[in-house]
Amino acid sequence: QQPVQSPQAVILREGEDAVINCSSSKALYSVHWYRQKHGEAPVFLMILLKGGEQKGHEKISASFNEKKQQSSLYLTASQLSYSGTYFCGLMDSNYQLIWGAGTKLIIKP
Amino acid sequence: DGGITQSPKYLFRKEGQNVTLSCEQNLNHDAMYWYRQDPGQGLRLIYYSQIVNDFQKGDIAEGYSVSREKKESFPLTVTSAQKNPTAFYLCASSQLRQGASKQYFGPGTRLTVT
Repeated sequence: QQPVQSPQAVILREGEDAVINCSSSKALYSVHWYRQKHGEAPVFLMILLKGGEQKGHEKISASFNEKKQQSSLYLTASQLSYSGTYFCGLMDSNYQLIWGAGTKLIIKP
Repeated sequence: DGGITQSPKYLFRKEGQNVTLSCEQNLNHDAMYWYRQDPGQGLRLIYYSQIVNDFQKGDIAEGYSVSREKKESFPLTVTSAQKNPTAFYLCASSQLRQGASKQYFGPGTRLTVT
């Protein structure tokens, strides 16, 4: 079953923070986060493999709450380059990623 | 440089014609995937393969076919049976490590059928 991402879209001013959530009705084993710019392929951001894990890449970090079956992506002091659509993916036992519908992030100067 | 190549970047076809999209990887990955993406939507899995000469249907396999004769190649054929083939097609590959298998994407092929 497809994970649910929220919000569907968010508009920020450069320098503001954002949180994108990804939740599932099934138990989560790992959560993948990708960003896609318009007309391009998705680009890998990070994988969280176990509950409680937190990771960061520059000013983008994520957490994984296994009990709540939820992951959150945090973008701090957003830059124009952060614009795009963010997807979470949940890996199943067949190595397939089940993708969320995406969250569109627009950063204005 | 290791990576995934897809060709062509843009493809135009007339309705009723079959068309084959190329996907090649030199990452020595066992698994390969084909996704379809419609405007403003997420990725939907068409087919995937974890080993040469074997592949599995994804959520939207109807009207598509694939082959995996070599580890590095996974071409997708969009047949005339696919009712609405115009879309952005993405090929990906990964190692087979449960949970930690990051997917690497090719640049995509934008198919327009009129």
